[in-house]
Amino acid sequence: EDKVVQSPLSLVVHEGDTVTLNCSYEVTNFRSLLWYKQEKKAPTFLFMLTSSGIEKKSGRLSSILDKKELFSILNITATQTGDSAIYLCAGLNAGKSTFGDGTTLTVKP
Amino acid sequence: NAGVTQTPKFQVLKTGQSMTLQCAQDMNHNSMYWYRQDPGMGLRLIYYSASEGTTDKGEVPNGYNVSRLNKREFSLRLESAAPSQTSVYFCASRDRGRETEAFFGQGTRLTVV
Repeated sequence: EDKVVQSPLSLVVHEGDTVTLNCSYEVTNFRSLLWYKQEKKAPTFLFMLTSSGIEKKSGRLSSILDKKELFSILNITATQTGDSAIYLCAGLNAGKSTFGDGTTLTVKP
Repeated sequence: NAGVTQTPKFQVLKTGQSMTLQCAQDMNHNSMYWYRQDPGMGLRLIYYSASEGTTDKGEVPNGYNVSRLNKREFSLRLESAAPSQTSVYFCASRDRGRETEAFFGQGTRLTVV
C-alpha cells in the first residue's frame, strides 16, 4: 500500500524564521512528488518534483527531491503570517496521488 | 475559467439519507478523483477514475459509490449516510499520462446528524 508521511504534523514559528517541512514516501511506480498549500479551501499547487537533486524555487519557497532516500523537503525562508496554512505533499504514480496528513504551519507576528 | 466545479458547497443529512455529490471539469482531463479530508488526516482517496468508463477504489471506498458519467463528470453517491461520513469532500482532476498537478474543486462540507 502506498504511503506518504509528513513531519512535523504542526509547527509554530515567528515571522522571519526559516522552516523546513519533510515528506517521505513509499509509492509504487513513483513518478513525481507534489507539494500543495491549503488555506481555507482547496489545495493550491506549489511544486512538482520529478528528478532527484534539482531544486525548484518560487520566491521564498524552495523544494528538492531525493529519489534514493525517498523523501522531499519544502523550505520557506523569511516566513510571513500569510504562509500560515496546511502544507500537503503527495506521491504521484500513473494512476493516482497519495497524500500525506499535512503539516500545519502557524506563523505568528 | 471554471476548472473543477463541485456542488453542493454545504449539505446536512440525516443518518440513513442518500445524496449525490456532483463534480464537473472543463479542462478535458482524463483522470478524476474523490477525496475526503478530516481534521488532521490530510486527503484520503475514496475513488478515482483514470479515464472515462473506468473507476477504481481508493483508500476508503466503503459506504460510497461513483459514476463517471462522461469525460467531464464524476459523481460520488452516499446511499445511506452515516455520521462517520461527516467530512469535507474534494473532487480533483488531472491530465493522465502527463506528469501534472491535480486541480481541485472548492470542496463540499457534509454533515451527517
